[in-house]
Amino acid sequence: NAGVTQTPKFQVLKTGQSMTLQCAQDMNHNSMYWYRQDPGMGLRLIYYSASEGTTDKGEVPNGYNVSRLNKREFSLRLESAAPSQTSVYFCASSVSHEQFFGPGTRLTVL
Amino acid sequence: DAKTTQPTSMDCAEGRAANLPCNHSTISGNEYVYWYRQIHSQGPQYIIHGLKNNETNEMASLIITEDRKSSTLILPHATLRDTAVYYCIVRVLISNFGNEKLTFGTGTRLTIIP
Repeated sequence: NAGVTQTPKFQVLKTGQSMTLQCAQDMNHNSMYWYRQDPGMGLRLIYYSASEGTTDKGEVPNGYNVSRLNKREFSLRLESAAPSQTSVYFCASSVSHEQFFGPGTRLTVL
Repeated sequence: DAKTTQPTSMDCAEGRAANLPCNHSTISGNEYVYWYRQIHSQGPQYIIHGLKNNETNEMASLIITEDRKSSTLILPHATLRDTAVYYCIVRVLISNFGNEKLTFGTGTRLTIIP
């Protein structure tokens, strides 16, 4: 089992560019999440998905869109990147009482 | 959402028990206490959770006070690999499907000293 995988590991964008962060899990979990972590801070929830075909906003959804393509994959899209979106992005999936996190994508927006 | 308060940092000697306190005085009766840790820049790792009884697993023990206003995570024999940021979280359910919001504060930076 690879668990939760994320691509890319690192990305540098210019202001206004768009990109999609990919996340996949092979644990057959229904629920998936996207978080961001700013330097010296804890994680904040951006969006989550209770099951295939459903998505909902978390604490900080502005500037992001998500797609739950199938049970395995949950992508996060930045349509027009801003410097304030410079952060480390973590994807997670969950079953019962435990969330499993991916290794993160480190994004810098210049 | 219930807030949690943790010390910013702690040190513990290798081989000793590490006791990490957490205050969650506004916790509601049906809210769980969760502990996660984040080693360096990796994704957080689940450690343990509890509602009102003390809990133990292969990684740690969780002691919750009778009034549920505080808890302590115990790593019984700390090793250098336990150096990490430890987050105490009060879980909030956000959907009828069991989705949860984990509000990560700034946590406690635990350093294990050789």
